[in-house]
This record gives sequence, C-alpha cells and structure tokens, in this order.
Amino acid sequence: GEDVEQSLFLSVREGDSSVINCTYTDSSSTYLYWYKQEPGAGLQLLTYIFSNMDMKQDQRLTVLLNKKDKHLSLRIADTQTGDSAIYFCASSGGKLIFGQGTELSVKP
Amino acid sequence: ETGVTQSPTHLIKTRGQQVTLRCSSQSGHNTVSWYQQALGQGPQFIFQYYREEENGRGNFPPRFSGLQFPNYSSELNVNALELDDSALYLCASSDGTSGIYEQFFGPGTRLTVL
Repeated sequence: GEDVEQSLFLSVREGDSSVINCTYTDSSSTYLYWYKQEPGAGLQLLTYIFSNMDMKQDQRLTVLLNKKDKHLSLRIADTQTGDSAIYFCASSGGKLIFGQGTELSVKP
Repeated sequence: ETGVTQSPTHLIKTRGQQVTLRCSSQSGHNTVSWYQQALGQGPQFIFQYYREEENGRGNFPPRFSGLQFPNYSSELNVNALELDDSALYLCASSDGTSGIYEQFFGPGTRLTVL
C-alpha cells in the first residue's frame, strides 16, 4: 500500500539550516505537502509542491522534490526556536497519506 | 473567513460507548476529511465527504461512520468504543473542485477511552 517515511528526530542550533527528509511510495501523487504540528494543536499547512516541479521556495522554506527517487525534503533557513515542532510530509491522490512525523528541536 | 472548528475539544468515554464528533468546514469548502492521530503517530485517513456523499474511506471498520450536512459541516460517529480508539481526531476541509486538495485542519478533538 501507499507509504510515507520520515526520520523521527532532528536537532539543530538556532540560526542553522534544518533539512527534513521524506520518502514516499505513491507515484500517482499529484501534490506533496509539508505540515507543522505544535504540541496539543492541529496541523498547519506550511507549503506544497506540484509533482511536476523540482523546487519551490517560500520565504525561509525550500522544498526539493526528486520524483525519480520519490524523495522530498524541506529546508528551513535560519531556524528559530519557534520552529520547534513536529513536521509531517504527506502525499496526496485525493486523501492525504502522512509520514510519522519528524520532531525538530531547535536549541538556543 | 472562519477556519475549521471542531467540538468538543476533549472527551472521555468508556469502552463500549458511542461518540459523535463535530466539524464545521471553512467557508466555501465543500469537502471534509477525517483523520485519526494516535499518540506519536502521523494522522491516518478515516474517510472523506464531498457534497454530502462519502468519497473515499481508509482502513477503518464500519463502526466508524460519518455524515455531511447541506452546509458542509460534518459528524464522525464511532460505535462500540475500544481502548485503541483513544486518539486525536482531526477534521480537514478543502475545496473539492479545485484539484489542489489543499486541506485545512481544525484543532482536533482529543478522545480518551477508559
């Protein structure tokens, strides 16, 4: 079946760049998404990329898509303590298939 | 523009009981999807409603059922609650005609089954 995998934890220093990686299996995904979840809260859509794009930049966020390898990454430039959260990658053919989430910890 | 709202925020039930969770979709959205998020896991798709009809279902038993109303708000009903049903239940709304599937999530309902 369809699957999305992410590494579970990432720790960075404030001001550094963070890179969160994701692999997915559903080659029919039209869009791929990155969501952020803070403790006790719902999911906030950060950005998405259409499957025929290689890269999308949105302020501090850069999404890279390697469709051949089914690999998606999210780079957060100048990471701040407020970026500490769980980040989910999701593939979509109508319903969202989420990864397990990567917990990003930003140390001052 | 009002975002997605869910009620109640928290709920405690005992095994075997039934529960109804509610979701109001964002203005202009005709599609509602429900997800179950167990502790430490990513959300799992339960089902989706588009213009009052079920439009896809994940790997959940029939005791999970839903409704969508003419104003596009939605309910998730779970019968015969089990301990493993304890989770955060998330509702997401989207414009099903846009093709982008951009889903906006509510804050969730935390269900605890004792």
